[in-house]
Amino acid sequence: QVQLVQSGAEVKKPGASVKVSCKASGYTFTGYYMHWVRQAPGQGLEWMGRINPNSGGTNYAQKFQGRVTMTRDTSISTAYMELSRLRSDDTAVYYCARDQTGTTDYYYYYYMDVWGKGTTVTVSS
Amino acid sequence: AIQLTQSPSSLSASVGDRVTITCRASQGISSALAWYQQKPGKAPKLLIYDASSLESGVPSRFSGSGSGTDFTLTISSLQPEDFATYYCQQFNSYPLQLTFGGGTKVEIK
Repeated sequence: QVQLVQSGAEVKKPGASVKVSCKASGYTFTGYYMHWVRQAPGQGLEWMGRINPNSGGTNYAQKFQGRVTMTRDTSISTAYMELSRLRSDDTAVYYCARDQTGTTDYYYYYYMDVWGKGTTVTVSS
Repeated sequence: AIQLTQSPSSLSASVGDRVTITCRASQGISSALAWYQQKPGKAPKLLIYDASSLESGVPSRFSGSGSGTDFTLTISSLQPEDFATYYCQQFNSYPLQLTFGGGTKVEIK
């Protein structure tokens, strides 16, 4: 079955970096983009960016440009999201999610069909 | 940048009720909209994609409609397991941006 397994919870100090992993199984890892989405406590969902596991190409949300790095290791079907210069407002649950893209005659549509369970990152001094 | 505005932000309903949630886009997005359900402490779950296509395994009481700027998610007969928060989502290629609505929390009346 298709599955995304994320790494465990992290506690970091302000100014540090965190690297979260997302191991894919049950499908061809390089065939689907991977998104990263975060959710602060009691808040909504926020898109951080995506990676093309085949090429390694990335697209980041403007808010995170310069602070986020998404990478992958195709040999172990794992995607990574590293966030640097952590602040207290980076405390959140971080999710990876597999992209699905569809097309009609007139437009493309994109959605996320499989999600990891989330990784809690706490930033506290 | 395209914004998605959901309404209401919360609602109270009873089991068996028909529930409708609205998502409005700040500019036309064809039918390129998805809906997710999220329960406390859990990851979001895909319900609907391409505005009205039901994801495999999702109960048929869920339906989506709309195109352009106005979209709705309808639950035809609310069940106990449907109490959750619902989000709409769009992805724009130019400029590249993925956006979620602010969420609608469906609570028990």
